[in-house]
Amino acid sequence: GNSVTQMEGPVTLSEEAFLTINCTYTATGYPSLFWYVQYPGEGLQLLLKATKADDKGSNKGFEATYRKETTSFHLEKGSVQVSDSAVYFCALSLTGTASKLTFGTGTRLQVTL
Amino acid sequence: GAGVSQSPRYKVAKRGQDVALRCDPISGHVSLFWYQQALGQGPEFLTYFQNEAQLDKSGLPSDRFFAERPEGSVSTLKIQRTQQEDSAVYLCASSLDRQYNSPLHFGNGTRLTVT
Repeated sequence: GNSVTQMEGPVTLSEEAFLTINCTYTATGYPSLFWYVQYPGEGLQLLLKATKADDKGSNKGFEATYRKETTSFHLEKGSVQVSDSAVYFCALSLTGTASKLTFGTGTRLQVTL
Repeated sequence: GAGVSQSPRYKVAKRGQDVALRCDPISGHVSLFWYQQALGQGPEFLTYFQNEAQLDKSGLPSDRFFAERPEGSVSTLKIQRTQQEDSAVYLCASSLDRQYNSPLHFGNGTRLTVT
């Protein structure tokens, strides 16, 4: 079956530190990969996506590269801010499944001054 | 409205009661999804509508769960004879079209607590 594995949190960083949140996946087909973010008190929102191998998704300073050889889609940011504190979810969808997403368990990020 | 709206925001039900959760998707969005998110977990797929047609209900955990979208807009998720294991946040999401990589727009969810 399809599954997504994320590093467990919480991750606590100081402002301006480098962030990596690991994500690996297993899929029966050729997936599209996503990172969704949930800020406190808000709904999930799409952060970035990549639809084929070696694609890099980027948004708000965050980046993730679709690595088919390692089945990974790690999220990175060079310098985090307090406002990045949130829960981050890695997810995949398969061709023909109309955005039916399989999510990881989420990683909570806490950024302190 | 600007986003996906869900109501109620919080629902407490006694075990055995029926509940109905409402979702107003973004106007014009073809696809609508329901997800269940248990505490500390990622959302899990329940069911999918394309307009008024329920094309996938493979994630519904039991026949106590029922969803409808009769006019292809508002959707209702109904849970009959609620059990404690039904306690979770129920998320609704919509997307503009039926493409597999079309981004989903999520509501804030309904937190259901069964006592």
